This record gives sequence, structure tokens and C-alpha cells, in this order.
Amino acid sequence: KQEVTQIPAALSVPEGENLVLNCSFTDSAIYNLQWFRQDPGKGLTSLLLIQSSQREQTSGRLNASLDKSSGRSTLYIAASQPGDSATYLCALGSSTLGRLYFGRGTQLTVWP
Amino acid sequence: DAEITQSPRHKITETGRQVTLACHQTWNHNNMFWYRQDLGHGLRLIHYSYGVQDTNKGEVSDGYSVSRSNTEDLPLTLESAASSQTSVYFCASSESGGRALNEQFFGPGTRLTVL
Repeated sequence: KQEVTQIPAALSVPEGENLVLNCSFTDSAIYNLQWFRQDPGKGLTSLLLIQSSQREQTSGRLNASLDKSSGRSTLYIAASQPGDSATYLCALGSSTLGRLYFGRGTQLTVWP
Repeated sequence: DAEITQSPRHKITETGRQVTLACHQTWNHNNMFWYRQDLGHGLRLIHYSYGVQDTNKGEVSDGYSVSRSNTEDLPLTLESAASSQTSVYFCASSESGGRALNEQFFGPGTRLTVL
């Protein structure tokens, strides 16, 4: 069974910092990896999707990388803003069963 | 714009009652999924469907059922609600291509409380 771990569980930083969120997984036989943002009491918003054949994806101030051999993905947020405060979830798409396996998330607080 | 909606957004029910949560998507996606989110467990897959008349069990399917009679809807039924089923429920959908797993889009969630 795929296990997904996100470190740290919580992170508090001042505005303007560049930061890295980590996601590790146990089974390298993945189809893709998706990063989500979840605001309190809300649903999940897809941020980036990386296919297994890709090494990174970028959207604005966000950059996600994927290293299947080491079982790791990172989400890099440049020049963080208070509006980035949310919980960030990574999820792995299984190549065998077609389901997503979620980490428990990193709760990010960016203070002015 | 295409979207995925869930209803009701909040529901309080009593132990033993049957409850149905609705999920409707206008993306015309073949794949639909139901998850529950609980503190300490993250999101866990309940049931999923790859198309009309197709349903599959996820990792926490006991006490839940789904049916897929059209592309747009995947209702989730709790046969006899239990307090352990108090949770936030999310519906999601994605495109398919040979059952390939593509980007999933999520609904706003239903907060269910079983007393």
C-alpha cells in the first residue's frame, strides 16, 4: 500500500520568504502526483499536476518537482504572501488502481 | 463554467437513519470519487466509478454504497448512519483515457454529523 508523508506538519513564516514543502512516498510505481491547496472549511483546489514522466511543473510562484527514484516531491513557493496561508496536500495517483493516496498535509501560515 | 457541486453542504442526522449525499459534475468526466476527511487520517477513498454502471470499493467502503446511472451524478448512501461516519465528505471527478488517472477536481464538501 502506498504511504504518503508530508513534512513539516505545520509551518509559520514571515511574508516574503521562499519556502519548501516536502512530500515522500513509499512506492515509486506512480502514475502522477498532484499538489492541492485547502482553505479552512473549503474543498481542495488543484495547484499542480506532475506526470510520472516529468520532473517538474511551474505555475506562477509555485514550482513542484518529482523524483521517483528517491520517492520525493517538493513544492516550492517563492516570495510567500499572507494569502498563501492554507493547508497544502500532496496526492499520488497509483498506476495500478487509479486512485489517489493523500498525505495529511502541511498547514502553512504566512504572517505579515 | 463546468463545476462539481455537492448537496447538502451540512447535514445532521441520527444513528440508524439512511442518508444520501449528492454529487453532480458538469465536466462530463467519466471518473468520479468519494472521499472522507477526518483529523488524524487525512483523505481516504470510499468508493469510485469509472463510468456509468461501474462502481468500485475504496479503502473505507463499509457502511457506504454508490450507484452510477448517468455520467453527471454519483450519490453516496449511508445505509444506516453511525457516529463513526461523522466526517467531511468530498466528491471529485477526473477525465479518463483507458482508465488513466488524470487531474482530479473536488467539490466543496458536505459536513455530516451523526448523533
